[in-house]
Amino acid sequence: KNEVEQSPQNLTAQEGEFITINCSYSVGISALHWLQQHPGGGIVSLFMLSSGKKKHGRLIATINIQEKHSSLHITASHPRDSAVYICAARGSQGNLIFGKGTKLSVKP
Amino acid sequence: GAGVSQSPRYKVTKRGQDVALRCDPISGHVSLYWYRQALGQGPEFLTYFNYEAQQDKSGLPNDRFSAERPEGSISTLTIQRTEQRDSAMYRCASSLAGRAETQYFGPGTRLLVL
Repeated sequence: KNEVEQSPQNLTAQEGEFITINCSYSVGISALHWLQQHPGGGIVSLFMLSSGKKKHGRLIATINIQEKHSSLHITASHPRDSAVYICAARGSQGNLIFGKGTKLSVKP
Repeated sequence: GAGVSQSPRYKVTKRGQDVALRCDPISGHVSLYWYRQALGQGPEFLTYFNYEAQQDKSGLPNDRFSAERPEGSISTLTIQRTEQRDSAMYRCASSLAGRAETQYFGPGTRLLVL
């Protein structure tokens, strides 16, 4: 079993839909990251959070430390949101333990 | 302000050759991380440095892999006697001051071992 599990692995949505990507982890963490990997391969950090909720534009990330679970929400999805979204748990040494990613495709 | 840069962006080599991959972190960033990402997979931690000190190398797959950061800035990941299974995207990231900071990723080096 991976230390960081994401679901779903693949997600197809229609433009405008509300999207949720889930992440569960089994290790103790100091923080959790959500990353976006574009089709060209570049990785962008979206959020780093250790408690509660963060919002940036149409993106919302939440974390429940007790349940070891985090969610990434996208409101009013758009085709340009199509990418791989990766959850990564920051371990005690500062290294990141990555999930396998969720491939999102938003159709117009 | 420049981000994290890596070179070369692409490297094709023959099995058995040594390769050196370079990472130039954001100026002033204390921590530097190396990751490997196989096609279709998420990144996998290899090693990381605070300044010039290698803090954790538990992710290096075997002793053919080594990394250094002699002056606490640029880092080199070296793979000796490359094998086909070493083919992957090798990514570097840096952060301002270690654990609590966001990591900024470089564009990666795509390594192909023939």
